[in-house]
Amino acid sequence: RKEVEQDPGPFNVPEGATVAFNCTYSNSASQSFFWYRQDCRKEPKLLMSVYSSGNEDGRFTAQLNRASQYISLLIRDSKLSDSATYLCVVNGSTERYVAGGYQKVTFGTGTKLQVIP
Amino acid sequence: DGGITQSPKYLFRKEGQNVTLSCEQNLNHDAMYWYRQDPGQGLRLIYYSQIVNDFQKGDIAEGYSVSREKKESFPLTVTSAQKNPTAFYLCASSTLGGGSDEQFFGPGTRLTVL
Repeated sequence: RKEVEQDPGPFNVPEGATVAFNCTYSNSASQSFFWYRQDCRKEPKLLMSVYSSGNEDGRFTAQLNRASQYISLLIRDSKLSDSATYLCVVNGSTERYVAGGYQKVTFGTGTKLQVIP
Repeated sequence: DGGITQSPKYLFRKEGQNVTLSCEQNLNHDAMYWYRQDPGQGLRLIYYSQIVNDFQKGDIAEGYSVSREKKESFPLTVTSAQKNPTAFYLCASSTLGGGSDEQFFGPGTRLTVL
């Protein structure tokens, strides 16, 4: 099983639709979770962190389900400008790089969203 | 404006040549990272550094080398030993090296080996 798994999509949705992505992770010891957005041929940028209690930022809602080991991202009232690839990021696994003490960060391969006029 | 810069944006290299990718940040971040991104794959960590004059190998360090002589700079050298260097290279930084905080990315360098 991959450490972090995402449906690659693409998800093609009309403007105004609600769309949800899930991301599953394999290590139950993972502690921090994020959603990043990556536009075509650009660098990833943080969209939002994911907290145990869930969090909302405007049209975006992120949730964490530790029992089932997945995080989700919900986008309401989709805009054309939401078209991008959404990367799930998980860190805090028990694996640490030797001598560095750095907790491993794992990026998902991303889910592509295309919002259609 | 604070941020991370990478240069060049596009780089073409002949087989057998070493090339160095630049990464500079003025965010006063202690930790810096190098990733490579290939189509259909997630970002993979090449090297990271949590403090000046110290750096550690990531998952795919073979064929790469780095230095961290200044807090602001973390250049990556792609050596001729790297078998498949064509990729999108991303540099990132964060306030702490523990992995639990946001990473800020530079705009990336696209390396193509001819």
